[in-house]
Amino acid sequence: QQQVKQSPQSLIVQKGGISIINCAYENTAFDYFPWYQQFPGKGPALLIAIRPDVSEKKEGRFTISFNKSAKQFSLHIMDSQPGDSATYFCAASSGSNYQLIWGAGTKLIIKP
Amino acid sequence: DAGITQSPRYKITETGRQVTLMCHQTWSHSYMFWYRQDLGHGLRLIYYSAAADITDKGEVPDGYVVSRSKTENFPLTLESATRSQTSVYFCASRLGLAGDIDTQYFGPGTRLTVL
Repeated sequence: QQQVKQSPQSLIVQKGGISIINCAYENTAFDYFPWYQQFPGKGPALLIAIRPDVSEKKEGRFTISFNKSAKQFSLHIMDSQPGDSATYFCAASSGSNYQLIWGAGTKLIIKP
Repeated sequence: DAGITQSPRYKITETGRQVTLMCHQTWSHSYMFWYRQDLGHGLRLIYYSAAADITDKGEVPDGYVVSRSKTENFPLTLESATRSQTSVYFCASRLGLAGDIDTQYFGPGTRLTVL
């Protein structure tokens, strides 16, 4: 019940296209859903996060869509650029528990 | 502002040796975390600490020891390294308050190879 399942494992998108990465969870107590971006040789960095009181959050080309009833959330990258090529991790946490439960990651490649 | 640093960045050791990975943060964040990252497993929590002298096990603590005598430092020790501990290790910190301030800040990682 603590797992966060992320798909796909890898994704290739043409420049200018839309990249979509999906995550699903079971624990209904989760109330914080961040996405982290990791470039090769670097540590992950927070990209965007959402709480379940909203169904969508947009920051620039990056959007999180959240479906509470389906217990799913997804990251959409609009107008994908080669510089977006990285590994993306979804995660979740609940209340005062400071531990993040991580998805397995998606390696995204944007082809020029 | 140095943020969060890890040392060494690369380490090669032999099976059975003791290895200590260092983590230092300059923000006075309450919470600190150690993760290992392996292909196909994403990030797995080894240990975390809520404050100085308070530590707790994560998902994969076996074979590792941590201490936190000062808020800014959180060393990770492999008491007797095994080949299965070959991995990239990340240290992270967060401010520690509930609510919106949930961001974990990661260090650059230590690539450890156990021969």
